[in-house]
Amino acid sequence: SYELLQPPSVSVSPGETASITCSGNKLGDTYVSWYQKKSGQPPVVVIYRDSQRPSGIPERFSGSISGGTATLTISETQAMDEADYYCQAWETSGTFGGGTKLTVL
Amino acid sequence: EGQLFESGGGPVQPGGTLTISCVASGFTFRNFAMSWVRQAPGKGLEWVATISGSGSSINHADSVRGRFTISRDNSQNTIYLQMNSLGADDTAEYYCARTLGDRIETWFDPWGQGTLVTVSS
Repeated sequence: SYELLQPPSVSVSPGETASITCSGNKLGDTYVSWYQKKSGQPPVVVIYRDSQRPSGIPERFSGSISGGTATLTISETQAMDEADYYCQAWETSGTFGGGTKLTVL
Repeated sequence: EGQLFESGGGPVQPGGTLTISCVASGFTFRNFAMSWVRQAPGKGLEWVATISGSGSSINHADSVRGRFTISRDNSQNTIYLQMNSLGADDTAEYYCARTLGDRIETWFDPWGQGTLVTVSS
């Protein structure tokens, strides 16, 4: 497996755009998924295959990848978006990033 | 959509053994790989193991290989995680998750509510 690096925390004002990055030297050769994790609740996938949004996930959530960095973008951020976000990829085994705590101030 | 329900967690002494289970409903269980993912208190998500739909392909994380074993019973729509030689570092909420995609495009959806395993004397 390999490492996926995320910033520990990101802060955003309500209504603004939040960007959370995930870097890894093999991103681009593998797909990235993103999960939202709120305290006391199981993770929920918000983006898979780099940029695909599952049904039921608001259009405010989008994903992109460039070079060795994947980015989760949350537009018009709401208080309900405050959570931990994890990127995930699969090479020969599963790997999660360390997680980013999104604070909506 | 699918639903998953874990059970079997609880307290266990260091060096002990525990088997946790996950029952699936709402989808054709045998057609999907399944995984266990854990989260230790205050820590991030850690992939633990994955088993293919038929059970013929199994993969474990280095941190648990040789101690943990994932298995499944397609007649019961259930996966298991047998955990041996448990240590304090294995204390975590254990989630089962349906595993979608293939190899480099693998992702997890949905997830169960989790079962808590506490290793302590």
